[in-house]
Amino acid sequence: DAGVTQSPTHLIKTRGQQVTLRCSPKSGHDTVSWYQQALGQGPQFIFQYYEEEERQRGNFPDRFSGHQFPNYSSELNVNALLLGDSALYLCASSLDGGGSSYEQYFGPGTRLTVT
Amino acid sequence: AQSVTQLDSHVSVSEGTPVLLRCNYSSSYSPSLFWYVQHPNKGLQLLLKYTSAATLVKGINGFEAEFKKSETSFHLTKPSAHMSDAAEYFCVVTPYNFNKFYFGSGTKLNVKP
Repeated sequence: DAGVTQSPTHLIKTRGQQVTLRCSPKSGHDTVSWYQQALGQGPQFIFQYYEEEERQRGNFPDRFSGHQFPNYSSELNVNALLLGDSALYLCASSLDGGGSSYEQYFGPGTRLTVT
Repeated sequence: AQSVTQLDSHVSVSEGTPVLLRCNYSSSYSPSLFWYVQHPNKGLQLLLKYTSAATLVKGINGFEAEFKKSETSFHLTKPSAHMSDAAEYFCVVTPYNFNKFYFGSGTKLNVKP
């Protein structure tokens, strides 16, 4: 059973460009969350997708957008890249309404470098 | 509003001695709390979780944590450190509906031989 997978593993972009990161959730999971982890910091919540809609959003500008597909996989898009967008982007999946059995599984991340 | 404060950015212990990583939280609702570990160049792994059941929670690799509502704390402990425990540890709080996760800034654990 594959866990959470993300692609690509590394990416180098130039300021002003646009980037798309991809995530496939763990089998059986229907909810995907995205996080940004800058060097030396804890992950910051970007947004969460459920039933193909953005359900919750953190303190990130509209340049950050996402999508969830019918098979529960997800994309994170970032427009007009800034140097400060350089970070590890983590995807996490979970099963909605898990209650006491709730668990969130993380992928290995995509390392984005903006030059 | 939710937030997490990890009181120590670095903790250093000797192998075989106890580990204590401190976490305080702030939450407007009954929270759920988690500890994750991140080894260098590896993904985040769930160590343990509190979701309103028993206040003393046991996790993997001998770690445990106690939810103390009166102190708004969820400290992570282990009786005896192992070299393989050296990693970064994150305390996480989420409201009851698990819709938004707040990570602490992390504690780097160093284990000396």
